[in-house]
Amino acid sequence: EDQVTQSPEALRLQEGESSSLNCSYTVSGLRGLFWYRQDPGKGPEFLFTLYSAGEEKEKERLKATLTKKESFLHITAPKPEDSATYLCAVLNYGGATNKLIFGTGTLLAVQP
Amino acid sequence: DTGVSQDPRHKITKRGQNVTFRCDPISEHNRLYWYRQTLGQGPEFLTYFQNEAQLEKSRLLSDRFSAERPKGSFSTLEIQRTEQGDSAMYLCASSLNSGNTIYFGEGSWLTVV
Repeated sequence: EDQVTQSPEALRLQEGESSSLNCSYTVSGLRGLFWYRQDPGKGPEFLFTLYSAGEEKEKERLKATLTKKESFLHITAPKPEDSATYLCAVLNYGGATNKLIFGTGTLLAVQP
Repeated sequence: DTGVSQDPRHKITKRGQNVTFRCDPISEHNRLYWYRQTLGQGPEFLTYFQNEAQLEKSRLLSDRFSAERPKGSFSTLEIQRTEQGDSAMYLCASSLNSGNTIYFGEGSWLTVV
């Protein structure tokens, strides 16, 4: 069964303290791996899509990388406004098309 | 605003009542999805449409749930005879085609009392 596991569940950082969030996945055939940011009470906001192992994408202080088994979201010198829940999701070739399978997210708190 | 639009943003209803949510996808997006999210969990797939055709329904979608997308534009999600377990955020999303990025709306919060 396709599965996505995110770790840690929660992470508290000081402003400027870089770290990484992990997303491990098991899918029959990966079509894409998505990262979203979600603020409290709001819908997920799209960040990145990664399609193949070795691919990397960057946006401001965020950098996403992908291997055959996991993805990392690296946060460099975070600011308090980066505080949010970060969701990882996979899209597979098997079964229903375009059904994203989400992890439970990592709740990031960046303290000034 | 050209994003996915959902209405209402919040709904409080009594158990047993019917509720309907509306979603307006991004213009020209052929695919429209409904997801459900509870506190501390990631969104769970409910159903999706390719234009006006409903192509898949999750087993999470009981007989009390019905979704439509007439004319392939906006969509409605109706929940009949609501139960307390239906309390959640209902998210609508859209994409241009298969494999393209899926964009989410702000969600519709449902509280069943």
